Amino acid sequence: AQSVTQPDIHITVSEGASLELRCNYSYGATPYLFWYVQSPGQGLQLLLKYFSGDTLVQGIKGFEAEFKRSQSSFNLRKPSVHWSDAAEYFCAVGDSNYQLIWGAGTKLIIKP
Amino acid sequence: KAGVTQTPRYLIKTRGQQVTLSCSPISGHRSVSWYQQTPGQGLQFLFEYFSETQRNKGNFPGRFSGRQFSNSRSEMNVSTLELGDSALYLCASSVEGPHYGYTFGSGTRLTVV
Repeated sequence: AQSVTQPDIHITVSEGASLELRCNYSYGATPYLFWYVQSPGQGLQLLLKYFSGDTLVQGIKGFEAEFKRSQSSFNLRKPSVHWSDAAEYFCAVGDSNYQLIWGAGTKLIIKP
Repeated sequence: KAGVTQTPRYLIKTRGQQVTLSCSPISGHRSVSWYQQTPGQGLQFLFEYFSETQRNKGNFPGRFSGRQFSNSRSEMNVSTLELGDSALYLCASSVEGPHYGYTFGSGTRLTVV
């Protein structure tokens, strides 16, 4: 069955430090991959998406993600986090039926 | 460019009542999806409408229904509310479907008492 795993429920990072959020998926074909961010009490915002081509994808707010087919991963990275990055981050995979399969989310906490 | 607008923003209803939530997508977006978000269950897909037709449906009981109008605006209805229906209901629109990337509204916070 298709699935998306975000192994970390919470991650705490110091402001200014680098960040990597993990996402692993199980899907037979070439996936459509997404990262979304949700601030408290708000809807989700698309950070970046991968369909094909260059496996390193640049997104908004200084985020990037790398698609690694051999590892079935699509990890999100940022070189230096800001306090405003504190939020919940969701990874998603698009299947062949025009549906998204969502990870459970990773809550990012920023230490001052 | 206006975003996705959901109304109302907050709602308190009594068990057994019914409720209708509204979503106005971004102009030109033909796909509208609805999600239920709760702390325990996370994001759960309710349904997707594309050009007034329901294209996909999640695993929710028949009490949950929706529709899309010719201007792409969408409504979802929940009948016979239960306490467990308390959640943040999110609407998301896309040009052609979720594979193009969603734009989400801020949600409607429904509390059932």
